[in-house]
Amino acid sequence: GNSVTQMEGPVTLSEEAFLTINCTYTATGYPSLFWYVQYPGEGLQLLLKATKADDKGSNKGFEATYRKETTSFHLEKGSVQVSDSAVYFCALTESTNAGKSTFGDGTTLTVKP
Amino acid sequence: DVKVTQSSRYLVKRTGEKVFLECVQDMDHENMFWYRQDPGLGLRLIYFSYDVKMKEKGDIPEGYSVSREKKERFSLILESASTNQTSMYLCASTYSNQPQHFGDGTRLSIL
Repeated sequence: GNSVTQMEGPVTLSEEAFLTINCTYTATGYPSLFWYVQYPGEGLQLLLKATKADDKGSNKGFEATYRKETTSFHLEKGSVQVSDSAVYFCALTESTNAGKSTFGDGTTLTVKP
Repeated sequence: DVKVTQSSRYLVKRTGEKVFLECVQDMDHENMFWYRQDPGLGLRLIYFSYDVKMKEKGDIPEGYSVSREKKERFSLILESASTNQTSMYLCASTYSNQPQHFGDGTRLSIL
């Protein structure tokens, strides 16, 4: 079956530090890959996505590249802000699976001023 | 803009009660999902539906049922609420392999 493994948290960084959250996956087919973000008291919202190998998703300064050879989709941001404090989820979806997604366990990021 | 609306943000019920959580989406999506989210356990899929009146069990369906009588509405039912069902419940919808759209969640407390 499919699985997603995320870097364990929590992660604490100072403002303007570089962020990497690792994500690796196992899938039987050719999945689409996503990063979601969850701010306190809210549901998850899509941060970025990539649908095929070597695609780079980007949004709000965050980036992730779909690496088929290493089955990875690591999230990066060059300079984090206090407002980036949230829980980040890596996920995959295969088109043959009624839109069902497999989620990682989530990584909590805290950015201190 | 896409919208998934959950009927309550906070809900307090008593043990043994029948509890209904409602979710409505306005995007004409075929697929809808119910998750529960607990600290340290991530998101766990309870049930999902890929069409009206169709449903499939997720990873933790015990103690829950669902109803999808109309395409836009997906209801989660706790047949006889128990304290271990105290949790955050999230509804989501999507089509094909597109990203899921989530509601803001219902924080349910069973006393």
